[in-house]
Amino acid sequence: QVTLKESGPALVKPTQTLTLTCTFFGFSLTTSGMRVSWIRQPPGKALEWLARIDWDDNKFYSTSLKTRLTISKDTSRNQVVLTMTNMDPVDTGTYYCARIRDGSGSLDYWGQGTLVTVSS
Amino acid sequence: EIVMTQSPATLSVSPGERATLSCRASQSVSSNLAWYQQKLGQAPRLLIYGASTRATGIPARFSGSGSGTEFTLTISSLQSEDFAVYYCQQYNNFPYTFGQGTKLEIK
Repeated sequence: QVTLKESGPALVKPTQTLTLTCTFFGFSLTTSGMRVSWIRQPPGKALEWLARIDWDDNKFYSTSLKTRLTISKDTSRNQVVLTMTNMDPVDTGTYYCARIRDGSGSLDYWGQGTLVTVSS
Repeated sequence: EIVMTQSPATLSVSPGERATLSCRASQSVSSNLAWYQQKLGQAPRLLIYGASTRATGIPARFSGSGSGTEFTLTISSLQSEDFAVYYCQQYNNFPYTFGQGTKLEIK
């Protein structure tokens, strides 16, 4: 059974760096074709794709946020980590990690999401 | 960056009726398009990938069509559990992009 769960701080101050961890079960990022993405959603707004990491360590980022984002993986712990620097109140929202369906770019399994509030 | 535009923003339909949701891409995404359903307070759920293939466990009343720049999600006979927000997503080009969503509400 595939599951993913996000963890990290619920509250960060402006200018701080956010670090989120996605811990997953039921698949391995050492398996060819496996990929994981991060997506976020401001309160009451649409989904926004942030980043993707592949089994072979290829990485892809949102154009508008790429200078602030870093995605990495720890295959021994079945974890994917996203860091976002210079946090701002507009970055407030729910952050999701999701597995990418093999051979596709669609997101077939999602975590429950973690709400991050940026406020001083 | 490919812009995905969904219409309408809100759709009011009675249970048992058909709902048709549209998604337009600013340039061709071939068939690399997915649809998601999101209920309040929940994570999105994959409904359709490859523009027309239902994901595992998705009822047959959900169908997707289209290619290139014009896509449609059809729900043939609305059930109470189908009232939610629906998003399209292209994965033909990086960055992946989502539409702004269509809220399907009970008429």
